[in-house]
Amino acid sequence: NAGVTQTPKFRILKIGQSMTLQCTQDMNHNYMYWYRQDPGMGLKLIYYSVGAGITDKGEVPNGYNVSRSTTEDFPLRLELAAPSQTSVYFCASSRDGEQETQYFGPGTRLLVL
Amino acid sequence: DQQVKQNSPSLSVQEGRISILNCDYTNSMFDYFLWYKKYPAEGPTFLISISSIKDKNEDGRFTVFLNKSAKHLSLHIVPSQPGDSAVYFCAASEGADKLIFGTGTRLQVFP
Repeated sequence: NAGVTQTPKFRILKIGQSMTLQCTQDMNHNYMYWYRQDPGMGLKLIYYSVGAGITDKGEVPNGYNVSRSTTEDFPLRLELAAPSQTSVYFCASSRDGEQETQYFGPGTRLLVL
Repeated sequence: DQQVKQNSPSLSVQEGRISILNCDYTNSMFDYFLWYKKYPAEGPTFLISISSIKDKNEDGRFTVFLNKSAKHLSLHIVPSQPGDSAVYFCAASEGADKLIFGTGTRLQVFP
């Protein structure tokens, strides 16, 4: 049982490039989330999903897109990367009825230059 | 507007002593509160939670206290151990909705 896995661990992007951050969970959780954490700040919710085919915006969705075609996978797409998107990105999942108790992946560190 | 605040960025405690981490919130509609622990280069892990209908929840060395009138919660770790050295995030939710996280407190437990 690997829990929540994220790839890549670290990536450097040039301004204007795009990339997809991958997230997979093997706990059969319906709820999945993407957060970003900037230095000295708390986690901010980017997008979340309550099940396959259903996604919704969080607090800071601008510049990002998501899709949820399967229960297991919840990729985060960055289009036209900007320096303001330099951050650590965490994916998380949770069970129905226990949404507050979230299981996090190890994070992806992204640097946009 | 920061709805969940952790005003102490860091805390240093001697091994064996009590660690007290504090968290304040502004939204009186929050009904569930949690503490997450984060080691470097890892994702946060759930530590302990409390519902707004309670004022205390205990799990081993960890106890969370909730003071709704003051909109304040605290995490007590006793006795503190070097392995407790990590960043601790307070989080809150309203009606099983999205979590709002504080900025974190870095706890260092020294021998």
